[in-house]
Amino acid sequence: QKEVEQNSGPLSVPEGAIASLNCTYSDRVSQSFFWYRQYSGKSPELIMSIYSNGDKEDGRFTAQLNKASQYVSLLIRDSQPSDSATYLCAVNAGNNRKLIWGLGTSLGVNP
Amino acid sequence: GAVVSQHPSRVICKSGTSVKIECRSLDFQATTMFWYRQFPKQSLMLMATSNEGSKATYEQGVEKDKFLINHASLTLSTLTVTSAHPEDSSFYICSAPGHSSVDYTFGSGTRLTVV
Repeated sequence: QKEVEQNSGPLSVPEGAIASLNCTYSDRVSQSFFWYRQYSGKSPELIMSIYSNGDKEDGRFTAQLNKASQYVSLLIRDSQPSDSATYLCAVNAGNNRKLIWGLGTSLGVNP
Repeated sequence: GAVVSQHPSRVICKSGTSVKIECRSLDFQATTMFWYRQFPKQSLMLMATSNEGSKATYEQGVEKDKFLINHASLTLSTLTVTSAHPEDSSFYICSAPGHSSVDYTFGSGTRLTVV
């Protein structure tokens, strides 16, 4: 069974620090990888997508993908209290566009 | 950008009644819609995939007679929770994949409470 695993946390970092979130996946043929942020009671919103090995940066966010080790991570620089949310890792392993979701990591940024 | 309008955002219903949730794609055609359910502090669990003009595909363990999905047009997909029970109380979310492989548009979610 295809799985996506995340540390559920909670992860707590002080304001201005770097938050590091990790995700591993089981299916080697996985093609696309996503980080979503979800606030309580809201739908997920896309932070980053990545499909090539290496780093992808967008503002304060950097996604890192290592297909050989089957992990994808998200770094949040200069963390802000507004970054406090649950971060969901999702993986698309096939052509049917279905996403497989991790349980999410709860992040708290303390002022 | 693409928008999926989901209604209602919140609904409270009595046990045994049915509730319909609508997801409408605005400014684009959604041939496919994914329907998720999310319990508190849990991740999104895919319930079914609806395809315009054909029967929905349900994930293992999801009762197709209880969760009726209709995708009658390219802009509207509906999920009806029939004979709702308190254990059906959850957050229901729809999502339409876009043209690119990394493009997904989510509805805003429906909080269902069955009393």
